[in-house]
Amino acid sequence: GESVGLHLPTLSVQEGDNSIINCAYSNSASDYFIWYKQESGKGPQFIIDIRSNMDKRQGQRVTVLLNKTVKHLSLQIAATQPGDSAVYFCAENVNRDDKIIFGKGTRLHILP
Amino acid sequence: DAGVTQSPTHLIKTRGQHVTLRCSPISGHKSVSWYQQVLGQGPQFIFQYYEKEERGRGNFPDRFSARQFPNYSSELNVNALLLGDSALYLCASSLGPNQETQYFGPGTRLLVL
Repeated sequence: GESVGLHLPTLSVQEGDNSIINCAYSNSASDYFIWYKQESGKGPQFIIDIRSNMDKRQGQRVTVLLNKTVKHLSLQIAATQPGDSAVYFCAENVNRDDKIIFGKGTRLHILP
Repeated sequence: DAGVTQSPTHLIKTRGQHVTLRCSPISGHKSVSWYQQVLGQGPQFIFQYYEKEERGRGNFPDRFSARQFPNYSSELNVNALLLGDSALYLCASSLGPNQETQYFGPGTRLLVL
C-alpha cells in the first residue's frame, strides 16, 4: 500500500481563516517532502517542499511543518482565499530513489 | 516561460489498441517523469528518464514503455490497452533526477472503451 496518506479527505474552511492540511507517512527513510495543489482539470502545481534536515519552511502564505518523530507533515495556508479551493497532495521521496510517492489527497472547500 | 506541455489533451481508444502520449519539458530541464492518475487518487509513478536513460520504473506492466529524445522531450507508449488504463497521464519535468522539484504538465486524459 501507499506509505503517504492523509487524515481527512475533505476540509471546509471559512474564507479568511487559516487552513491546515495534514499528512502521515510511514517510510522513515523518506527525506524529501512536497506539497502539490491540483485544481480541477489541471496537473498538480508545486506549492512548497521541505527536506528532512528541516522542521519548518515558509513560503508566500504557506508553511510546511515536518515532525519526523511521528512521521507527520502539515501544510498551513494563511488567510484562505476562494482560489485556494483544490485538492492538495503531500508526496514523499527517498534519496537514491527517483520516484515520488503521492498520497490520496485532501479536497479543500472555501466557505463564503 | 512555457511550462511543461503535453499532447494530446484528450484521447479515446478501444481495448487492445495502443497509444502514444507526448511531453515537452520546461526549457533547460533534462529529466522527465510520467505518472498515471486514476480519478479520485493521487498520481502513481510510472517512469523517470534523465539524459535519455531510464532512471526509475514504477509498478506497471511491460505494456507501458517510454523513451526520451535528444531534445529531452519524451513519449509514453501503452500497448494492448485495457479499460483500467483509463486515467489522466501526467508528465513532470525537473532539472535533474535526484530530489529536484518536479513541475507537472496539464496531462492527457485517456479513455479506453
